[in-house]
Amino acid sequence: DAKTTQPPSMDCAEGRAANLPCNHSTISGNEYVYWYRQIHSQGPQYIIHGLKNNETNEMASLIITEDRKSSTLILPHATLRDTAVYYCIVRVGHNQGGKLIFGQGTELSVKP
Amino acid sequence: SAVISQKPSRDICQRGTSLTIQCQVDSQVTMMFWYRQQPGQSLTLIATANQGSEATYESGFVIDKFPISRPNLTFSTLTVSNMSPEDSSIYLCSVGWSGQPSYGYTFGSGTRLTVV
Repeated sequence: DAKTTQPPSMDCAEGRAANLPCNHSTISGNEYVYWYRQIHSQGPQYIIHGLKNNETNEMASLIITEDRKSSTLILPHATLRDTAVYYCIVRVGHNQGGKLIFGQGTELSVKP
Repeated sequence: SAVISQKPSRDICQRGTSLTIQCQVDSQVTMMFWYRQQPGQSLTLIATANQGSEATYESGFVIDKFPISRPNLTFSTLTVSNMSPEDSSIYLCSVGWSGQPSYGYTFGSGTRLTVV
């Protein structure tokens, strides 16, 4: 079973920051947190991942709490094209290319 | 990141028949995975395709129903055998690199299967 908990749905106004929470209270010290999104009828798209430190790339920022039991994905300026299902995943296994087990995700609706 | 070509992109099949889905990657990868996404649901991992050895199946999935081949580092196939309407799903291939935990895994665009 997936080891993450996410709200089933969220709304966000276009142009505002979207903050998507994720709980992973049973995460181990060497497990990474990954975020993917799936736009309708497409394969999942990688967004960002992290281990301990906060991370930022051209798509988003990932904030991981100090105890690593939760994280938040931040889309700084959400657009209508960011409407998708967002999955927070704790990668099972490490260094040997561990598998990704998907939970139910958060359906983000960006509204004009 | 790798580019994945998955074929066919969609198919409509008769119950009782089998369909083989191909996953071709434009570079050598260590890890290849097969997922199923039933209508309105999240992705479920079927198996890890291991090069040169049998695939490793997740609980609830068996080799007789979902035989997998992985002849080299750039190619894998998933067969859905003796299909029933319950097998109607999107099947997705994903690839990654062992020893590279900092890389995100890449997914193909999927095969949309309808069984009638």
